[in-house]
Amino acid sequence: QKEVEQNSGPLSVPEGAIASLNCTYSDRGSQSFFWYRQYSGKSPELIMSIYSNGDKEDGRFTAQLNKASQYVSLLIRDSQPSDSATYLCAVPRGRNEKLTFGTGTRLTIIP
Amino acid sequence: GAVVSQHPSWVICKSGTSVKIECRSLDFQATTMFWYRQFPKQSLMLMATSNEGSKATYEQGVEKDKFLINHASLTLSTLTVTSAHPEDSSFYICSAFRDRVNQPQHFGDGTRLSIL
Repeated sequence: QKEVEQNSGPLSVPEGAIASLNCTYSDRGSQSFFWYRQYSGKSPELIMSIYSNGDKEDGRFTAQLNKASQYVSLLIRDSQPSDSATYLCAVPRGRNEKLTFGTGTRLTIIP
Repeated sequence: GAVVSQHPSWVICKSGTSVKIECRSLDFQATTMFWYRQFPKQSLMLMATSNEGSKATYEQGVEKDKFLINHASLTLSTLTVTSAHPEDSSFYICSAFRDRVNQPQHFGDGTRLSIL
């Protein structure tokens, strides 16, 4: 089992709909979880971090964490074409040093 | 959010040239900086971990004599690609990390290196 798993996609969502991105991780001891967005040809950009079970909302983005199921997700409400990008789930190894990235989910918002 | 500046953003040079890339943490002291490489349509690949004042730790398969890393201060790390060849052409990205609980890595804008 990979340490951090994501569906690679592509995931196509109509504009205005909710995009749901999923990530599972193998290390039960993981304490923090990050979602990065990477546009083609650009570097990753941090969009959400979550540390506690439950939901965390920031604008149109909601991160959801379920440590018992080792599952973290990202919801994007009212999807816009500008949300089209690859979304990377990242989990630190050990004490907040190296990040283990999922392979990323390529999201396309269809106008 | 935290700002990490990477320079240059784009380099084209001849084979055999050495290229230096700078990574600066502008608004916090970065105890650790990371260097990644990314080929088209592939995932980020961690090359090395750089801690201020100590030698960098390289990932397996990364040549330390080829990719020289210096982390002279808490706000600056440099990566030098020595005697670059066409196969070194890639997108190089740094990130900075503040060693506190639950802190994320913040990425620079990346350097696109093309070796002719």
